[in-house]
Amino acid sequence: GQQVMQIPQYQHVQEGEDFTTYCNSSTTLSNIQWYKQRPGGHPVFLIQLVKSGEVKKQKRLTFQFGEAKKNSSLHITATQTTDVGTYFCAGLGNTPLVFGKGTRLSVIA
Amino acid sequence: NAGVTQTPKFQVLKTGQSMTLQCAQDMNHEYMSWYRQDPGMGLRLIHYSVGAGITDQGEVPNGYNVSRSTTEDFPLRLLSAAPSQTSVYFCASSYDRLEKLFFGSGTQLSVL
Repeated sequence: GQQVMQIPQYQHVQEGEDFTTYCNSSTTLSNIQWYKQRPGGHPVFLIQLVKSGEVKKQKRLTFQFGEAKKNSSLHITATQTTDVGTYFCAGLGNTPLVFGKGTRLSVIA
Repeated sequence: NAGVTQTPKFQVLKTGQSMTLQCAQDMNHEYMSWYRQDPGMGLRLIHYSVGAGITDQGEVPNGYNVSRSTTEDFPLRLLSAAPSQTSVYFCASSYDRLEKLFFGSGTQLSVL
């Protein structure tokens, strides 16, 4: 079945450093979604990418969808302590949404 | 709007007991789903429903039953709880299966 791999599993950064998490699917996706889960909380939707090569920005967050629609990335510029949490990508193909295992981001002030 | 409401928030069961996790949404969403979250495993789909009267299995359905008699409600039943079912359970809904998911606040379940 469809698998979504996400790396790294953990990332510790100093406040102000940049952060990137990568997502790869075993199959071509119709869209990819990104979610953020704060410690002790539930996942919250960030963005959805649909088009090949699409790039979307939300303030310090930049999301990309690969040309082959099999990979994606989330880049955070100049991390802040409010960015702490686990970031999940989730791919939608012929199966229901499949989540990656997430990247847990720690930000050291 | 309350969004997606899950009850209970915490539950402790003994092996072999049965229980139902409740999920309700007031957004008139057609698509509803149940996930379990275990450390280092991400979110794994248990069961999902694309509309009232329709349910289907996800990645890890064994030991769980669901039904969807109304658009609003999607309960998850544990038939005979096992320690391997200790996890955090999230219910999520969306307008349809292509759209973003709205998650409930989760149920932390421990099976002793």
